[in-house]
Parts: sequence; C-alpha cells; structure tokens
Amino acid sequence: GAVVSQHPSRVICKSGTSVKIECRSLDFQATTMFWYRQFPKQSLMLMATSNEGSKATYEQGVEKDKFLINHASLTLSTLTVTSAHPEDSSFYICSARPAYSYEQYFGPGTRLTVT
Amino acid sequence: AQTVTQSQPEMSVQEAETVTLSCTYDTSENNYYLFWYKQPPSRQMILVIRQEAYKQQNATENRFSVNFQKAAKSFSLKISDSQLGDTAMYFCAFGETGTASKLTFGTGTRLQVTL
Repeated sequence: GAVVSQHPSRVICKSGTSVKIECRSLDFQATTMFWYRQFPKQSLMLMATSNEGSKATYEQGVEKDKFLINHASLTLSTLTVTSAHPEDSSFYICSARPAYSYEQYFGPGTRLTVT
Repeated sequence: AQTVTQSQPEMSVQEAETVTLSCTYDTSENNYYLFWYKQPPSRQMILVIRQEAYKQQNATENRFSVNFQKAAKSFSLKISDSQLGDTAMYFCAFGETGTASKLTFGTGTRLQVTL
C-alpha cells in the first residue's frame, strides 16, 4: 500500500517551454502533497506544500509564478515549470501524506533536462 | 526553523559488519518525528525507520535500529549484518507535527557496502 507515482519519469524540453509533472497517490487519499527538488549529489529541498483545494505554500526563494502547483483532487497534484531554463534542470520528487499519518510517501521522481 | 546535520558524507562497511550513521538536529519543538530514508541509485526514497519523539524506546526494524537521544538531539542509525543492497544514500529527516508536517532533510551519508 501507500504507492505514489510520478509522470513522466524523464522529460527533455527546450528553453522557454513549459513542462508539467504529475504526482498521484494510487491507493490512498493525500490531504497534503509536497514537491522537492534535488540537485546531483545533494539533499532534497522542499519547494512547496500543497493541500487539496487550496493554494500551495511555497518555501522561501521558490518562485511561485515559475513553479505552478495545482492540487485539484485528493489523489493528484501537478507541478508546472513555466518558461523553463537550463538552470531548472534537476530531479523533482513529490511526496504525499495521508490524513491519518505524519508519514510521507515518495514518488519515484522526474528528471527534467532543459536544453 | 529546524536544521538537520549529518557529519559523515561517506561511510564504508564490509558485508556482514555493523555500521552507525550519525545525525543531529536542532529544534525548539517538543513533539516531532524523526526518519531515516534510503535513496539507492534508482533515486526512489525508501523509508527505513521512524521514531516518534514522545517515545523513549528506540525504534527497530529488522537489521535497522536507532539510538534516539532527545536531550542531546541525536538520532543515529545502526545497520547490522550489512548487505550489498544497503549501498545507498541515507538521509536523516526531521518531521513536524501539525497541519504542515513538513520534512527537513540532512545532507545525507553515502554508504558503500563492500565484499
């Protein structure tokens, strides 16, 4: 149980375009979802926290107009990187937390490469 | 804000031996959770073990156990009978309670298990 999927697993896009990453909780309802960014050989850095039906809360230094987060249902959150640039290339990981637990369940991650 | 420190960037252990990974944290909270996550080369985050701060008893999960010292704000992970499959990055994480339940990760320890 407690499986989280992410799609796509890898994406390459051209500079200036937008890319959407989906995060789904497959067998539980996630009241809260989280988006992280991980640079090579570094730790996970929280970008934002999203609660179903409300606006996401962004961490300091994260541009909310660049990283659009939508949590439209209890099983789906999306991260859209708008007008992507090479410096946005990174590994993006989502996690989901069910209402009954403080534990977060992680997706397999999405590797974004902006050329 | 919470901080998590992992002072060992890399560790090596021989198969079947025991290794301890260190983690310290700083917080003014009294109630919280602590986690150890494993990130193998696939980059999927896997929960290894968790500890509730209000519990004095150290958590154990098969070959994995923790030494939780609340007053010292220390949370080390002991891996017994190390296996080649234990080779991975290990992240210590501080988990908030309450609505947000955000995780703050340490910088990670790369563990290599050798023959």
